[in-house]
Amino acid sequence: GAVVSQHPSRVICKSGTSVKIECRSLDFQATTMFWYRQFPKQSLMLMATSNEGSKATYEQGVEKDKFLINHASLTLSTLTVTSAHPEDSSFYICSARGQEWGDSEKLFFGSGTQLSVL
Amino acid sequence: SQQGEEDPQALSIQEGENATMNCSYKTSINNLQWYRQNSGRGLVHLILIRSNEREKHSGRLRVTLDTSKKSSSLLITASRAADTASYFCATRSGGYQKVTFGIGTKLQVIP
Repeated sequence: GAVVSQHPSRVICKSGTSVKIECRSLDFQATTMFWYRQFPKQSLMLMATSNEGSKATYEQGVEKDKFLINHASLTLSTLTVTSAHPEDSSFYICSARGQEWGDSEKLFFGSGTQLSVL
Repeated sequence: SQQGEEDPQALSIQEGENATMNCSYKTSINNLQWYRQNSGRGLVHLILIRSNEREKHSGRLRVTLDTSKKSSSLLITASRAADTASYFCATRSGGYQKVTFGIGTKLQVIP
C-alpha cells in the first residue's frame, strides 16, 4: 500500500506563532491530498482538499487565510496554521488517495500531528 | 452533520469474543469503507464495500451493507487485545472526491 509520512508528530507553540505541518507521499505521487482535523474522542472533520499546482478547496467554515495549504509538488503538501491560538489546538491528519489499481478509492493517512498552542 | 454514525460509541469485550459495530448514513453512496485508528495515530484502511455488494470478508473482518436501510456493520471475529482501537466508517457519495467519516466506535478488547 501507499505510504504517507507526516511531520512533525507533535508540536507545542506559543500563541501568535505559525506552525507548518508537512505531508509527504513516499512511494507514489499524490495529485490530491486531504487535510483533516480531529478533536478528542470525535471524528475527522475535513478541512480542505489540496490539489497539486492549484489552489486548495476549503470546506465551509474553514478560514483559508488561517490554514494555508501549499501543494507545490506531487509528493508534498503543507498546512500552515498562521497566528495560532489555543482554540487551534487539535490533532491534524493528512491523507492521500491510493494510486495503484484497486487502491484508488482508499485513503492512506499520515500518522497525524498533535498541535498544542499555549 | 456527519454522514456516518456508528454505534455503539464504545464497546468493551473479552478477548476471543466477537465485536460488532454498526454504521448508518443518510445519503446514497458509491462505497462505504471502514478504517481503524489507534490512539494518537493516523487511520488505517480496513475494508471497502461497494454499493452493489452486500457482504465482504477480509481475514477476521466481515462487513455487511444494507443500502435499503442505509446501514453497514463491521464484525471482528475472535477479537484480540491488539484490536483495541477506534473504528470509523466512511462514505463517498456521487462524484465528490471527499470521504466523510462517522463519529467512530471505540473498541476495547480485554486480555
